[in-house]
Amino acid sequence: DQQVKQNSPSLSVQEGRISILNCDYTNSMFDYFLWYKKYPAEGPTFLISISSIKDKNEDGRFTVFLNKSAKHLSLHIVPSQPGDSAVYFCALRSYNTDKLIFGTGTRLQVFP
Amino acid sequence: GAGVSQSPSNKVTEKGKDVELRCDPISGHTALYWYRQRLGQGLEFLIYFQGNSAPDKSGLPSDRFSAERTGESVSTLTIQRTQQEDSAVYLCASSAGSMSSYGYTFGSGTRLTVV
Repeated sequence: DQQVKQNSPSLSVQEGRISILNCDYTNSMFDYFLWYKKYPAEGPTFLISISSIKDKNEDGRFTVFLNKSAKHLSLHIVPSQPGDSAVYFCALRSYNTDKLIFGTGTRLQVFP
Repeated sequence: GAGVSQSPSNKVTEKGKDVELRCDPISGHTALYWYRQRLGQGLEFLIYFQGNSAPDKSGLPSDRFSAERTGESVSTLTIQRTQQEDSAVYLCASSAGSMSSYGYTFGSGTRLTVV
């Protein structure tokens, strides 16, 4: 039973356009929602997070949206750059624990 | 150190052998986590250490897997009698704990191949 799903295994976007990565979850017991980025042969790196009391958090080109009623999380990257090409994982944390549950990842390719 | 260090970076082992993977977390990080990523799959939680509390072992896939941590420093993940399905990248991460909103810092992982 996959609690966290990223239904698009891959996404291809032209440089300068918006990239939208999606993540759906089934459990309401999450209080923090994070996005990680992973390049080949490296560990994932933290990108941006949002707490359950907010519905939007912005950091430069990256914005995370949370829709709790729909149990849906998204990451917007605008404008997309070739260096953004990587695998993106959403990660969710349950209340009263530091353990993160990760999605399956979406491979983003930004082409010139 | 400046980041999370894992060793070895690559390990090829024969089926049935035992392997030991090492993780050096960021100094001062009280929480340490092990995840693995099998080919084409997401990150799978294995085990979590927080300070002196009993570790959360709920993600260990079988009794062939075990992990220990010395105080708030080095951790080793041991896989006994390795099987081909154990082939994966094993990732270690650490965090300052106390529900840091900045997430974990991951190491580069150990790629384990069981032949």
